[in-house]
Amino acid sequence: ELKVEQNPLFLSMQEGKNYTIYCNYSTTSDRLYWYRQDPGKSLESLFVLLSNGAVKQEGRLMASLDTKARLSTLHITAAVHDLSATYFCAAQGLVGGATNKLIFGTGTLLAVQP
Amino acid sequence: EAGVTQFPSHSVIEKGQTVTLRCDPISGHDNLYWYRRVMGKEIKFLLHFVKESKQDESGMPNNRFLAERTGGTYSTLKVQPAELEDSGVYFCASSRRTGGTEAFFGQGTRLTVV
Repeated sequence: ELKVEQNPLFLSMQEGKNYTIYCNYSTTSDRLYWYRQDPGKSLESLFVLLSNGAVKQEGRLMASLDTKARLSTLHITAAVHDLSATYFCAAQGLVGGATNKLIFGTGTLLAVQP
Repeated sequence: EAGVTQFPSHSVIEKGQTVTLRCDPISGHDNLYWYRRVMGKEIKFLLHFVKESKQDESGMPNNRFLAERTGGTYSTLKVQPAELEDSGVYFCASSRRTGGTEAFFGQGTRLTVV
């Protein structure tokens, strides 16, 4: 059974600092997603990681995937207040499976302090 | 193109009452998913429709929950009778195909049972 562990649960950062959110998953997964959620809003897709060694960057966020270690990271560079939100990782079952449902981590509430 | 829309955005009901949540997927998306986040915990899969058929309902908590998707368009999730532990945010997502395509999420319905 696919399980996802995400840490930390809460992250308070100062503007300008760097930090990393970690996402471990328990069994083989085809793809790994990172989402951002602002209060009362929908989950916004940030990155989809498909293969071992995949690295994607968008602004101050960079996501990577190590399928051998079953680990994905979301790295925040020089944080700014606008990045404050809840970030979720989610692993998807093998393509071709019956449902391809997403298995989510618990989320990381990021608060960037001025 | 309109995104996934959910109604209502908030609902407060008393224990024992009935509530019906609605989800309108993106037009042309055959796949529709329901997820739920109970306070402070991970987002959990409830069920998956392909058009009007239930592909996977393994995440439905119990028989107080009934999901329908008549005609393969919008979906409803009825909770009857509601219990305190049903409180949480219910998310709907849709995707065009089952095979590993990205799902787009609605803003969620916050359900509070008092």
